[in-house]
Amino acid sequence: NAGVTQTPKFRILKIGQSMTLQCTQDMNHNYMYWYRQDPGMGLKLIYYSVGAGITDKGEVPNGYNVSRSTTEDFPLRLELAAPSQTSVYFCASSYSAGTSGRPPNTGELFFGEGSRLTVL
Amino acid sequence: AQRVTQPEKLLSVFKGAPVELKCNYSYSGSPELFWYVQYSRQRLQLLLRHISRESIKGFTADLNKGETSFHLKKPFAQEEDSAMYYCALGKGTYKYIFGTGTRLKVLA
Repeated sequence: NAGVTQTPKFRILKIGQSMTLQCTQDMNHNYMYWYRQDPGMGLKLIYYSVGAGITDKGEVPNGYNVSRSTTEDFPLRLELAAPSQTSVYFCASSYSAGTSGRPPNTGELFFGEGSRLTVL
Repeated sequence: AQRVTQPEKLLSVFKGAPVELKCNYSYSGSPELFWYVQYSRQRLQLLLRHISRESIKGFTADLNKGETSFHLKKPFAQEEDSAMYYCALGKGTYKYIFGTGTRLKVLA
């Protein structure tokens, strides 16, 4: 299993450009998340999803959009990039309790390798 | 407000010395607490969780509800322990608050 895969690893954008960070997981996890990490700060939740077709805002959703059309994929869209969106972005997934055949939710998040985005 | 505080940005210790990475939390309910670690050029991964009361790679962490702390400890640091460590608080089944992280450097 590849786990959680994010692309691209690095990207430089100009102010006002748009882009999509891709995230896919092959563990059949219900929950998926996007975090951003600014220098010297903890991870802040941008958006999360509890299953296909369901998404919700986290702490810092402004300037971003997400979709969850399949269990595997959870892309993060940046519209009109701004310097304040310069950050490292992490996608993560976890599974829920109550899914047939699965153990109880342990709370473990499985992370991608991160995507470093610079907006100039 | 719910938050996780890791007061040290950097902690340097000599190999063989004891290590304690501090984590304090603020949460009104029953907390679920975790330590995540990121080694150089690797992805963030779970180190341990308080409900398991386990020791992983020689590390332990005890939840102290009175002091609202979940400090990570190891009696004898190894060079391979050098990494970035994050304390995290679970809110319900799918929301997590992360601390700012502590970089541990183990010196030879």
